[in-house]
Parts: sequence; C-alpha cells; structure tokens
Amino acid sequence: QVKLLQSGAALVKPGASVKMSCKASGYTFTDYWVSWVKQSHGKSLEWIGEIYPNSGATNFNEKFKGKATLTVDKSTSTAYMELSRLTSEDSAIYYCTRGQPDYYDGYYHAYFDYWGQGVMVTVSS
Amino acid sequence: DIQMTQSPASLSASLGETVTIECRASEDIYNGLAWYQQKPGKSPQLLIYNANSLHTGVPSRFSGSGSGTQYSLKINSLQSEDVASYFCQQYYNYRTFGGGTKLELK
Repeated sequence: QVKLLQSGAALVKPGASVKMSCKASGYTFTDYWVSWVKQSHGKSLEWIGEIYPNSGATNFNEKFKGKATLTVDKSTSTAYMELSRLTSEDSAIYYCTRGQPDYYDGYYHAYFDYWGQGVMVTVSS
Repeated sequence: DIQMTQSPASLSASLGETVTIECRASEDIYNGLAWYQQKPGKSPQLLIYNANSLHTGVPSRFSGSGSGTQYSLKINSLQSEDVASYFCQQYYNYRTFGGGTKLELK
C-alpha cells in the first residue's frame, strides 16, 4: 500500500535552516508529483510547492519562493524539503503528499490522495 | 491566485443529523475541487475529488456537489467518527485551501 514516511520533529534556532524527508513506498515514485503543505498551529493549510521526481521539475506558491527548496533522491524514493532563514512564522507542521492526476478537462490537475504523517518544526532560541 | 472561502468556520450538530459545508472560489474552478477530513493529531484524508467523486473507502454518507464557483460537502446521518475539521481545496490552478470547518457534536 502507498505510504509516505516523514522524518521526525525538529527544533531549530531562528535564522537557521531545516531539511526534512519524505520516503515513498508502495508505488512508482517517479510517476507522481510530490507536494508539500504547511499547517500552522490550529489553522488552515497552505500549499508550498511540488516536485516531479522523474525530472526534478518544480512549481511553487509565490509566497514560498526563496523559503523552500525541493529535491528528490530517486535511488531511495525520497523527497526532501529544506526551509531556510527560519523565523517563528515557520513554526508549523509540514506534510508531504502525493499528487493524484485528474485530467477532467484534458489538462493536468492533481489532488492529494496520500499524506505523510507530518513533521512538526519549532523555531525557537 | 484563486481564493477559497469556506463556511461556516465551526458547526455543532447532533448524531443522525445532516450537515452541509460550503466553499466558494474567487473564480470558476471547473469542478477542480477536493474535500479533506482531518481528525485531531492526524493528517488530512481525502474524501471527495472532482467536486462529486467519492474517494475509495469513504462512506457513502459523504457527498459533494456544485459547479463554477460554489461547492458543498454534505454529510448524511452524522456519526460520532465524523467529528473532525473539513477543508476544501481547489486544484484547478495550482492549489489553494479553504479556511476549514470544525465539526463538533451537539
């Protein structure tokens, strides 16, 4: 079955960076886009960006350009997200998700059919 | 960017009741709309995609409808396990989520 296993919680200092992982199993990793989603405490969800493992192509929410870097390691079916120059506003839970294609109008669209368990990032001195 | 406005922000209902949650997009999203359920301390789970298609394994008491800019999620015969937060998401143009609806038992 499809699983997305994320790395553990992180406590980081302001101004530092953090890199988290998302190991996929149960499907062909290179066939599906992987998205990352932020959930601040008690709040809604924000799409950060996505990466296509087969080519490394990426798309980002404008808000997270320069903040998030997305990479993959095809040999281990693992996606990574690095967040830089952290502030308290970056304290949140971060999820990786699999994008399920939906060509309902002949063009590519994708919703999220599988989610990782989330990584809690706390930015504090 | 497409904005998603979800209502109500919170909802209290009784067991067996029918509940409806609404979502409005800032422009036509041509049925590129999904609904997710999130229980406390858990990851969101897909319920509905393409506005009205039920994801595998989701109980039939959940249904989605709508078109254009207006969409809704209906839960028939509310069960205790339905207590959760619900989020809509447009995926027509990248992805944007609604603000969420917290559903509690009355």
